[in-house]
Order: sequence, then C-alpha cells, then structure tokens
Amino acid sequence: QSVLTQPPSASGTPGQRVTISCSGSSSNIGINTVNWYQQLPGTAPKLLIYSNNQRPSGVPDRFSGSKSGTSASLAISGLQSEDEADYYCAAWDESLTGTWVFGGGTKLTVL
Amino acid sequence: QVQLQESGPGLVKPSETLSLTCSVSGGSVSRGSYYWGWIRQPPGKGLEWLGYISYSGSINSNPSLRSRAIMSVDASKNQFSLKLNSVAAADTAVYYCVRIDGYNQYGNFDYWGQGTLVIVSS
Repeated sequence: QSVLTQPPSASGTPGQRVTISCSGSSSNIGINTVNWYQQLPGTAPKLLIYSNNQRPSGVPDRFSGSKSGTSASLAISGLQSEDEADYYCAAWDESLTGTWVFGGGTKLTVL
Repeated sequence: QVQLQESGPGLVKPSETLSLTCSVSGGSVSRGSYYWGWIRQPPGKGLEWLGYISYSGSINSNPSLRSRAIMSVDASKNQFSLKLNSVAAADTAVYYCVRIDGYNQYGNFDYWGQGTLVIVSS
C-alpha cells in the first residue's frame, strides 16, 4: 500500500494527451513539492519533473507537471511510442522523522 | 556527467547482512550540496526509499526498516555504502543508489545507478 495513490494504468494513442494523477495528503503533497520519475522497461528510473513543474535539461516540453492541494498531475502531450513506461510520483512526507514516499506507479501503454 | 554504479553480492542468506557499495564517478561524494541515497524495487513492484547519508555523516533512514540499515561514506574512494542486517525474503529487490539534489523536501533523485538485484534465499 503506497502512501501516494496513482492509477495502476493509463493509455493513449500516438499524438494524444494523457494525464496521470497522484493523490496524497496534508503531510506530503499538501505542503511539499512533487517529483515525477519515468522508468522505461528494464532500466533505472529517471528524473522527469521536479518541484511540481520543472523539467531537467533534456526532458522534452511535451512533459509537464502541476499540483493543486493534496494532488498532483503529470501530463504528456503529443504521445509517442517511446513514452511507454512506468511513471512514479514522489514527495517528502513530514510524518515521524520525515521520509520520501512514492506512488505505486502508473504503467502507460501507447496503443 | 555523474555516474553511479552499485556492487555487491547478488545472493544473501536469510538472517544475514546485505552489503552494497555505490561507486561515484564524474562528481564527488564530499560536495556538500548533495546527499547520497538508496532506493529499492521488489520484482514487479514499486519504489521504496531506504535512506540517505551526507558527506558530513547526516543520516535519515526509512522507519519501516526498523533500524536494520547502516549507511556510510568513504570520500577517499568516492563511494558510499549500505548494510541491511537480518534480511528476509521480503528484502529481495533491485537496489538503486541515487544522488539527491537538495535537502529533504527540497530534494530530488537526479542521478541513479543501473540497479543491482539482490535475492534473499537459502
């Protein structure tokens, strides 16, 4: 049971816009920023979005992030076949001594 | 370009200690603005943060590990390490070492190792 809640799957056709949600609480997303990670099949995760909506160098602007209250979203526009991957949200949780928490991951399928 | 590489045994017996080392190249573990951490992923499952250590020795680990984790930094070798004692089958996972850019809520995992699979089995 993950602290952050994501839909287990999402899908879209090439060129479409897809969004993936991430729901948390007042101890994590409600007061801290959200990061998103992309894990291509058989590889290590890669930082995709940080501080809610910032893209690291090299990440296409087709990827965007947003946050409102205790929820966050990742949007992918102009969907491409190479976007087929698992996507994870993460945030710092202020419970106890403080820990990083992840969503359970969303498997994106490009139809 | 920063690169991280995990190393350690791929098979550990139950109740024994899992020991992993992460070698860093293209950057220094003694640079104060970064933290060095561990994340694991059981086969077919999601990600779990295990903990981090700073060059100065500041440590924070996931309470779910119940103090089983010990982390250290060796600046002379530009490496950091994880020891997880009293392992059980539930500790079977791919273990990733990561660089953390920023402190706690301001941080993100900006560089990852390729991961190493550790199986706990007799």
